[in-house]
Order: sequence, then structure tokens, then C-alpha cells
Amino acid sequence: GQQVMQIPQYQHVQEGEDFTTYCNSSTTLSNIQWYKQRPGGHPVFLIQLVKSGEVKKQKRLTFQFGEAKKNSSLHITATQTTDVGTYFCAGVTGNQFYFGTGTSLTVIP
Amino acid sequence: DTAVSQTPKYLVTQMGNDKSIKCEQNLGHDTMYWYKQDSKKFLKIMFSYNNKELIINETVPNRFSPKSPDKAHLNLHINSLELGDSAVYFCASSQVPFAKSSPLHFGNGTRLTVT
Repeated sequence: GQQVMQIPQYQHVQEGEDFTTYCNSSTTLSNIQWYKQRPGGHPVFLIQLVKSGEVKKQKRLTFQFGEAKKNSSLHITATQTTDVGTYFCAGVTGNQFYFGTGTSLTVIP
Repeated sequence: DTAVSQTPKYLVTQMGNDKSIKCEQNLGHDTMYWYKQDSKKFLKIMFSYNNKELIINETVPNRFSPKSPDKAHLNLHINSLELGDSAVYFCASSQVPFAKSSPLHFGNGTRLTVT
């Protein structure tokens, strides 16, 4: 079954509102990666987190890796229409790599 | 220059036909993958090759056969296409197998429609 779940599956926000997607694994992850896929596009690597409790920022995006290394979050501050797309987490557990189920973000201008 | 390129971009074919998708990467990566993305956007690994050697072969019908003539190329051949094969197929590459924390670089995808 699916090892890495993301919530919510879909999110509609008004432009300027904040957005958060959560990634949860049933097992401890060695690391977590985040990808963004624009509509009609392909997944593009955003960032990788390795350490327990790690927090990284990219402009308006904040990525966090949980203390137990079983969950992660991506927070976008003051969304813009360019943030539209599907955000995937992806984690390594053992020798396996799993993509999360994805969160599709719609930003209403 | 395109890093990971796959062709064709669109493929429309009838049930029962055989088709191939080609993928090439110019990043010098050792590992290449095929992913299938369904209508719900789930990304499912199908195959992975490291230096031309098959390292991941998920539960995929044996109608799907990957072939890696060299580490820069990974092609996917599909026999006897079925309606359920309709999806977007992504080729990807990474410097080392992803279990070693190497980011994936994806191609633009091939949208396969089986009628």
C-alpha cells in the first residue's frame, strides 16, 4: 500500500493566503525531498531535508522535517498564482523511495 | 539544452498495438527510471536502471519491457496495449540510485492514450 500520504489532496486558496501541505510516512525516513509539478508539466525538484527537525526556506516556501523523521510539511506564505501546481513529497525508507500522494494547489486571483 | 528528453510527447494508439517510448539524458547520471502517473496524479515507479543494470522492477505487467542500451538511454516498450495503460509516463534520472538521496530529474512526459 501507499507508504507516504499527503494531506490535503486538493487545496483552493485566495491569492495572498497561506498554504500548507503535510506529508506523513508509516516508517522512519532517511530523508525527504519535495517536488513541484506545474499543470501539464513534469515534477521539478525543490529541496531535500535530511536531519531530524530540519527547517529550510526558499523565499516564501518553508520546509520542515519532523523530529521523528516520519513527517514533513511545506508552507507557502502569501500564495501567488505562480504557486499553482501539485506538490509532492518523496522519502527514502530502507532501500525504497516513495512519492507522496501529492497536494494540488489552486490559487484564485 | 534539455537534460532529460523523452519522445514522443503524445501517443494515441489503439488497443492491442505495440508502442515504444524513448528517453535520453545528457546529465551524465548513472541511474534512470520510468514512472507512471495516473489521472489522480499518483507517481508510481515502474523500473530503474543503474549503469544499464535493472535494479528496480515493480509489479508491472510483463507487457512492459524496459531496455537500456547505455547509461544515457532508457527506452520503454509496451506490447498489446490496454485501455488501462492510458497515463502519463515520465522518464527520470539521478546521479546515483535514489536510495542514496540523489534528486530526480524528470523528462517532460509522454501522454499515452489508448482507444
